[in-house]
Amino acid sequence: DADVTQTPRNRITKTGKRIMLECSQTKGHDRMYWYRQDPGLGLRLIYYSFDVKDINKGEISDGYSVSRQAQAKFSLSLESAIPNQTALYFCATSAEGYGGYTFGSGTRLTVV
Amino acid sequence: QQQVKQSPQSLIVQKGGISIINCAYENTAFDYFPWYQQFPGKGPALLIAIRPDVSEKKEGRFTISFNKSAKQFSLHIMDSQPGDSATYFCAASSESNYQLIWGAGTKLIIKP
Repeated sequence: DADVTQTPRNRITKTGKRIMLECSQTKGHDRMYWYRQDPGLGLRLIYYSFDVKDINKGEISDGYSVSRQAQAKFSLSLESAIPNQTALYFCATSAEGYGGYTFGSGTRLTVV
Repeated sequence: QQQVKQSPQSLIVQKGGISIINCAYENTAFDYFPWYQQFPGKGPALLIAIRPDVSEKKEGRFTISFNKSAKQFSLHIMDSQPGDSATYFCAASSESNYQLIWGAGTKLIIKP
């Protein structure tokens, strides 16, 4: 099993629909992140959580919300999807301290 | 001051050549500089990282060069191979919270 699992891998949804992207990890890390990737724009941070009770907005949080259900689970919601939110979404985890981020394989979301 | 500037945005190199990607930063508190490699359909994965106590770190064909006075660091890929074709991200963090600040990414294509 992958260290960081994202579901679904692909999703097409209609404008105005609510959608949830889920992320679970087996790394035992306290820190979890949601990123959005658009062509030519790199990785942009949406939300991050340093532990279950600590959730913070990233640089592009408008239109998104998150829930940290447990140390291992961090979900991202789009309350009312819009076409501009069509992108590749990544969840990542890390431990406190210097070291790598472990990314999931991503969710490709298309809003029509 | 939190930005990490990465160049070029895209790069085409002949097989066997040297690929060089550059990053610059402003925040002198940064003290951890990783590079990530991302293949299509996958999340980024840690490739190699350096701390500022050394000027160079080599792992196989991949080398990070670090210039603390210029606040720059670069990734060199020697004997570039078609399998190295990927998007590369530089990043930086400090001990204030260990959160990675990302460069915009470089799409590298190695021509056979």
